[in-house]
Amino acid sequence: DTGVSQDPRHKITKRGQNVTFRCDPISEHNRLYWYRQTLGQGPEFLTYFQNEAQLEKSRLLSDRFSAERPKGSFSTLEIQRTEQGDSAMYLCASSPRGGARGTGEEVDYGYTFGSGTRLTVV
Amino acid sequence: SQELEQSPQSLIVQEGKNLTINCTSSKTLYGLYWYKQKYGEGLIFLMMLQKGGEEKSHEKITAKLDEKKQQSSLHITASQPSHAGIYLCGAEKTSYDKVIFGPGTSLSVIP
Repeated sequence: DTGVSQDPRHKITKRGQNVTFRCDPISEHNRLYWYRQTLGQGPEFLTYFQNEAQLEKSRLLSDRFSAERPKGSFSTLEIQRTEQGDSAMYLCASSPRGGARGTGEEVDYGYTFGSGTRLTVV
Repeated sequence: SQELEQSPQSLIVQEGKNLTINCTSSKTLYGLYWYKQKYGEGLIFLMMLQKGGEEKSHEKITAKLDEKKQQSSLHITASQPSHAGIYLCGAEKTSYDKVIFGPGTSLSVIP
């Protein structure tokens, strides 16, 4: 496993169309995160999963956005009825989270990020 | 909205010079992360600090977390063109919470 993979790298779509992105995390990582980043800004949290359970979804995420991780492995992020404001880089990250930090159960090396999917809505 | 502030917003330095980037939070943090990002690419993990007063180094990059765990600095010694990119600090408010990121500091190193 060479890291976190995201597909596609680039997507251009017309306003109103639906788009779906895929993220394949590092296989032994049980947590998977989605972020959105616009030019000149830091990544903005969207949602995250622990295994197949979606544990948190940002209040900033409208109902047009949905994410799944059906078998606790890869994840998909779908945007329905895209708007020009959805244009951004969508980043996926994974981490081996689980035990309480400081108990010796695991060592934290931070999130591993994919290269992102750049979405342009025209 | 960003809960972490970074300064400066951008930085241009001559190769060989030292530089410092700061990250500040209004609240005590559980963990503080530093990442580097090349334009149009994903983030590369640099270091994670958890204990107040902690300091870590990797090659020519040193990061420190203050005793109150509200401020961190990233120091690069003898900068090189390979250090150019966007430096992002990220933080967890509680153990294994999601990481929220600052707005980033853009670093350019002139040969």
